[in-house]
Amino acid sequence: QSALTQPASVSGSPGQSITISCTGTSSDVGGYNYVSWYQQHPGKAPKLMIYDVSKRPSGVSNRFSGSKSGNTASLTISGLQAEDEADYYCSSYTSSSTFVFGTGTKVTVL
Amino acid sequence: QLQLQESGPGLVKPSETLSLTCTVSGGSISSSSYYWGWIRQPPGKGLEWIGSIYYSGSTYYNPSLKSRVTISVDTSKNQFSLKLSSVTAADTAVYYCAREVQLEGNDYWGQGTLVTVSS
Repeated sequence: QSALTQPASVSGSPGQSITISCTGTSSDVGGYNYVSWYQQHPGKAPKLMIYDVSKRPSGVSNRFSGSKSGNTASLTISGLQAEDEADYYCSSYTSSSTFVFGTGTKVTVL
Repeated sequence: QLQLQESGPGLVKPSETLSLTCTVSGGSISSSSYYWGWIRQPPGKGLEWIGSIYYSGSTYYNPSLKSRVTISVDTSKNQFSLKLSSVTAADTAVYYCAREVQLEGNDYWGQGTLVTVSS
């Protein structure tokens, strides 16, 4: 299975909104509403930020939102803050009953 | 509060078998709502899903690793384990164990353990 495609880097100024894309195929992202997003700070374990395309776990800021159109899912961070600087990964359930992660995106707060 | 902790050797020789155990505390591994999985991350690279197991023993593996991976569960010890055979330097990575909410993502993670493959 091939990794989902994400941009290598995205940047924005504090207070701005940024969007990270995650492109797969009809066998993963496009075929199921089981896309999740993770935030990972250096040296730390990933943290679940979004599941089921657009649902937020308890405790996750409502500045984080998710959506999907066709084979591409997106994570939007609004009101960008310094603490949002991290790596972000998408993940999707697949038609093989497995999971696949995205290539990862480094978010920089300017 | 649920906690997961990986344990096992930090150094494995090429061609040998990597073995790790994840101990779950603060909750039961036998819950019907969850799977239990392994994810790895080579130094400076992205995440790779290895596989997951249900408390009954049902397993799902990454097709690219399937021939070398075995995940097992010991409900009496509230643990699950990973074995990866015939390792090479490409298997050097931080290995994480995590709880998987059925199809919805991994909500609890261990801190990760670095396994280096080297002679």
